[in-house]
Amino acid sequence: EPEVTQTPSHQVTQMGQEVILRCVPISNHLYFYWYRQILGQKVEFLVSFYNNEISEKSEIFDDQFSVERPDGSNFTLKIRSTKLEDSAMYFCASRAADTQYFGPGTRLTVL
Amino acid sequence: AQSVTQLGSHVSVSEGALVLLRCNYSSSVPPYLFWYVQYPNQGLQLLLKYTTGATLVKGINGFEAEFKKSETSFHLTKPSAHMSDAAEYFCAVSTSGTYKYIFGTGTRLKVLA
Repeated sequence: EPEVTQTPSHQVTQMGQEVILRCVPISNHLYFYWYRQILGQKVEFLVSFYNNEISEKSEIFDDQFSVERPDGSNFTLKIRSTKLEDSAMYFCASRAADTQYFGPGTRLTVL
Repeated sequence: AQSVTQLGSHVSVSEGALVLLRCNYSSSVPPYLFWYVQYPNQGLQLLLKYTTGATLVKGINGFEAEFKKSETSFHLTKPSAHMSDAAEYFCAVSTSGTYKYIFGTGTRLKVLA
């Protein structure tokens, strides 16, 4: 069964550094999403992406964040200058019809 | 705007007992409703969903949920809990458009031997 994959599974970085989280969505899906889950809190929507454009973004998704589909398979989330409060699990999802399929997540730890 | 409320951040049941996890939603347009399960250190796995049609939906691992529009609820049930059901369960709502999910705060299910 096709799956969404994410790399790395765990990323540790210093405050102020740039990080890129990578996702490979399910191959025939056209809609992509990023969510984050701060430890002990609920999963929050960050951004949706379709046809090489952002469809919608949340208040969390400020100028420090960007998304890109650099080729036909990868979907990336970049955080330009990480802050301590960016420490969270980041989930990528791709959608077919009305249902999203989630990757296993990348745990980002900012020191 | 949509919202989801999950009553009970922690629920404990005995093995073999009924599991009932509560989810209430708010939506100004017809909602799509989902339950996802998250096992420790893993991602979100779809348990079941309601979009249109039959209001009682069956999912994986013996779970089912009933969409009740009048009560704005989508509670998750399982007749007999198994130890392997111990996990965190998230209810989510979306609508047509971007189909972004709004999640509830989650319910951690503990199954007692």
